[in-house]
Amino acid sequence: KQEVTQIPAALSVPEGENLVLNCSFTDSAIYNLQWFRQDPGKGLTSLLLIQSSQREQTSGRLNASLDKSSGRSTLYIAASQPGDSATYLCAVRIYTGNQFYFGTGTSLTVIP
Amino acid sequence: GAGVSQSPSNKVTEKGKDVELRCDPISGHTALYWYRQSLGQGLEFLIYFQGNSAPDKSGLPSDRFSAERTGGSVSTLTIQRTQQEDSAVYLCASSLDHYGYTFGSGTRLTVV
Repeated sequence: KQEVTQIPAALSVPEGENLVLNCSFTDSAIYNLQWFRQDPGKGLTSLLLIQSSQREQTSGRLNASLDKSSGRSTLYIAASQPGDSATYLCAVRIYTGNQFYFGTGTSLTVIP
Repeated sequence: GAGVSQSPSNKVTEKGKDVELRCDPISGHTALYWYRQSLGQGLEFLIYFQGNSAPDKSGLPSDRFSAERTGGSVSTLTIQRTQQEDSAVYLCASSLDHYGYTFGSGTRLTVV
């Protein structure tokens, strides 16, 4: 069974700081990996999707990298803003089975 | 529609009652997932539909849970004889080709 771990569980940074969120997974035979954000009381918003053949994806101030051999992905947020405050989840899909395996998330607070 | 629509957004029910949760996926999306998010817990896979194939029910926690997807579109998750431990946010997601997944805003179920 795929185990997905996110560190840290919570992070508080001042506005403007660059930050990195970490996701690790146990089964490197992944199909793809997706980063989501979840605002309190809301559903999930997709941020970036990385296919197994890709090393990174970028969208605006966000950059996600994937290293399958070490079982890791990072989400880099540049010049953080208070509006970035949310819980960030990574989810991994493997070749066998249909489900996404989610980490428990990193709760980010950006202080103005 | 433009996104995944779930209804109701909130549902309070008495223990022992049956409930139905509805998911309207993005038009044309062949894959549909149900997940559950309990307070302080990660997302738990429930069931997966892909086109006309038999659904993957491996995540359903008990036989009180069932789901169907009519005409390859709308899906209904039914929980019979609800228990307090069923209280959670139930999230639905759909995808066209597993290159991206769109989640709905969820149904918050409270069993009292």
